[in-house]
Amino acid sequence: AQSVAQPEDQVNVAEGNPLTVKCTYSVSGNPYLFWYVQYPNRGLQFLLKYITGDNLVKGSYGFEAEFNKSQTSFHLKKPSALVSDSALYFCAVDRGALTFGSGTRLQVQP
Amino acid sequence: EADIYQTPRYLVIGTGKKITLECSQTMGHDKMYWYQQDPGMELHLIHYSYGVNSTEKGDLSSESTVSRIRTEHFPLTLESARPSHTSQYLCASSESGTYTGELFFGEGSRLTVL
Repeated sequence: AQSVAQPEDQVNVAEGNPLTVKCTYSVSGNPYLFWYVQYPNRGLQFLLKYITGDNLVKGSYGFEAEFNKSQTSFHLKKPSALVSDSALYFCAVDRGALTFGSGTRLQVQP
Repeated sequence: EADIYQTPRYLVIGTGKKITLECSQTMGHDKMYWYQQDPGMELHLIHYSYGVNSTEKGDLSSESTVSRIRTEHFPLTLESARPSHTSQYLCASSESGTYTGELFFGEGSRLTVL
């Protein structure tokens, strides 16, 4: 059974607009959740994590994510998108090792 | 900047060849991982290690094998490559702790088997 789900294969947004990349999880207990970004022909880079505490987590490059236990979600957000944010984004959950979602391609149009 | 290195970055080989993908990290991390990334971009954990002489299979069944003789080194071997092994292979490491924590990834090894 999939532990994290990313329902959108691709998200398109205009530069300067807010962006949201969705992630839901299906693990029991208190999940440890992560977001990673992958640029073309590169490995993944860590963006942010939720372990405990404040439900709003701030990360690299102006990204943030909100942990919502009632909706079992951990959506990635940014108030104002940049063209350089165009990349693949992966949500992940810690199950002893990280299990990744299927990925969402973010395309920011100038 | 992460200090984890993978070689080769790109490899094209014929069916039946034996190949080893190298992964080394200089951060002293105990935990290391191999992920396979298919063209549809989904990532699958194929092997992981929590330390020297410790190796485990991941979620995705793989015909590859791994070894962990030194902390810094986690090579992946395919004894007889097949076209179905064509994929990108990503190595990662993380510190020890109660949870996996932040993974540091190498830049990947893209394997094509003809």
